[in-house]
Amino acid sequence: NAGVTQTPKFQVLKTGQSMTLQCAQDMNHEYMSWYRQDPGMGLRLIHYSVGAGITDQGEVPNGYNVSRSTTEDFPLRLLSAAPSQTSVYFCASSPGTATYEQYFGPGTRLTVT
Amino acid sequence: GENVEQHPSTLSVQEGDSAVIKCTYSDSASNYFPWYKQELGKRPQLIIDIRSNVGEKKDQRIAVTLNKTAKHFSLHITETQPEDSAVYFCAASITGNQFYFGTGTSLTVIP
Repeated sequence: NAGVTQTPKFQVLKTGQSMTLQCAQDMNHEYMSWYRQDPGMGLRLIHYSVGAGITDQGEVPNGYNVSRSTTEDFPLRLLSAAPSQTSVYFCASSPGTATYEQYFGPGTRLTVT
Repeated sequence: GENVEQHPSTLSVQEGDSAVIKCTYSDSASNYFPWYKQELGKRPQLIIDIRSNVGEKKDQRIAVTLNKTAKHFSLHITETQPEDSAVYFCAASITGNQFYFGTGTSLTVIP
């Protein structure tokens, strides 16, 4: 059981470039979420999904897109990277209605220059 | 939306002493309150959680208390050890798919 995996671990982008952060889980969890973590600001929810084909916006969705075509995968797309998107990104999953316990991936450190 | 405030932002204690971190929330509909520990460069990990139908929960040296009327909940760590040094985050959720986090408390346990 790999749990929640994220790729890449580190990424440097130039302003205006696009990229996809990958997230996968092998626990058959229904719920998946993306957070960004900035110094002094805790974790903020970007987008979340309660099942395949269902996504919704969190607190800070602007500049990001998601899709959930399978239960396992939940990629996060940066459409046109900006320096304000420099952050550490965490993906998380949880079983769903039975228990809310979230399992986090190892994170992706993104720098936009 | 929900607003979670966490205090203090930094906390230093002597080894063996107790540490208390407090959080308040704004939405009375929130019903799930987890606490996460995050070591430097690592992912957040759940250490304890509480549902709104319970006032207190304990797991060895860690306990969480919830006051629904006042809309605040607290993390208590007793007999602190150097390995307890980390950043601790509280969070609140209504539905289990949207979580609102506090800004974190950096705990240092001095040997």
